[in-house]
Amino acid sequence: AQKVTQAQTEISVVEKEDVTLDCVYETRDTTYYLFWYKQPPSGELVFLIRRNSFDEQNEISGRYSWNFQKSTSSFNFTITASQVVDSAVYFCALRRSGGYQKVTFGTGTKLQVIP
Amino acid sequence: GAGVSQSPSNKVTEKGKDVELRCDPISGHTALYWYRQSLGQGLEFLIYFQGNSAPDKSGLPSDRFSAERTGGSVSTLTIQRTQQEDSAVYLCASSPGGSSGNTIYFGEGSWLTVV
Repeated sequence: AQKVTQAQTEISVVEKEDVTLDCVYETRDTTYYLFWYKQPPSGELVFLIRRNSFDEQNEISGRYSWNFQKSTSSFNFTITASQVVDSAVYFCALRRSGGYQKVTFGTGTKLQVIP
Repeated sequence: GAGVSQSPSNKVTEKGKDVELRCDPISGHTALYWYRQSLGQGLEFLIYFQGNSAPDKSGLPSDRFSAERTGGSVSTLTIQRTQQEDSAVYLCASSPGGSSGNTIYFGEGSWLTVV
């Protein structure tokens, strides 16, 4: 069985602060993909990043960075110098590679960036 | 189309009526998913299609819920004898499938309100 845990339900930060959103996952698969999605108040889920389980390199995209650690089954997401537009619900997700492709989502972390 | 298209975007229905929600996936995407998101909640998996078949329909909450997909493209989620607890956003997503594409892309959702 697959499981994704986002223990932080809600986080509030002041604009320009850095914030890290935690994601811990469970899977018996040796190959899998991890994802982060952003759901702004408008409601549409926006894809942010996909990570293959073979690739543990950290990734940076502008103010966003992701820290994938297989040893701790974590895939954390950091926003540097947060902005009000970052306010949204962020979902971490896990998907098997190949074959049946069910995607399991965490319960989401609501981030509020206060100006 | 360029993205996943869902209709209607908003639906208000009376308790006991049947509703149909439509999803038009990204052209060429073989995998299609339905999720449900109640107000302020995470994503609840409903059903997964690969082509026209549904290898996993384990998330359908009751026999009032059914879904079909025709021509490997459009999918319809039907809720019979709607109840107030069915009120939620119903999200459709699609994925290219196979080994080349494992990211799923979401539509904007169909907001269902049962009164």
